[in-house]
Amino acid sequence: QQPVQSPQAVILREGEDAVINCSSSKALYSVHWYRQKHGEAPVFLMILLKGGEQKGHEKISASFNEKKQQSSLYLTASQLSYSGTYFCGTRNLNKFYFGSGTKLNVKP
Amino acid sequence: DAGVIQSPRHEVTEMGQEVTLRCKPISGHDYLFWYRQTMMRGLELLIYFNNNVPIDDSGMPEDRFSAKMPNASFSTLKIQPSEPRDSAVYFCASSLSSYEQYFGPGTRLTVT
Repeated sequence: QQPVQSPQAVILREGEDAVINCSSSKALYSVHWYRQKHGEAPVFLMILLKGGEQKGHEKISASFNEKKQQSSLYLTASQLSYSGTYFCGTRNLNKFYFGSGTKLNVKP
Repeated sequence: DAGVIQSPRHEVTEMGQEVTLRCKPISGHDYLFWYRQTMMRGLELLIYFNNNVPIDDSGMPEDRFSAKMPNASFSTLKIQPSEPRDSAVYFCASSLSSYEQYFGPGTRLTVT
């Protein structure tokens, strides 16, 4: 089942923080986060594995609540370069799904 | 490494024609994914392979779509016959052990 992302869109000023949420109705093995800029391919940011292992980006962090089947992406001190659409991807057994995306617009 | 390579980058074809999209994954990666992205439907997984074997093709829209991976360094996605509603950006991605996926630049397909 496609994970649900919230919010759908966020507008920030440079330096502000944002949180993007991703929830699934199915038990999750892993959660991936990607950022896609307009006209480009998605780029991997972060992966969170069942059991707590996390690999990712230096200024972006994330959490994974296995019991609640939820993940959150934390963008701190946002920069103009953070603008784009953020997708969460989930894996349940042999199935992979992507959320519908959260559009982030960081303004000067 | 050159990253995931896709060709062609743009394809314009007429309805009813056969379209073949190509992908070369990153060397050493054992998973390969085909996605389709449209404004209306977002990013959809069509099919993925593990060690050249198709694992989940439940996202393939209909029999007009087929995908092959004859070896570890090449995969094709074929649409025959193509229809205007197939117009989209098609991405290929590869990964090692299904962890982070590396996307190719995509093929923008327009069917008139």
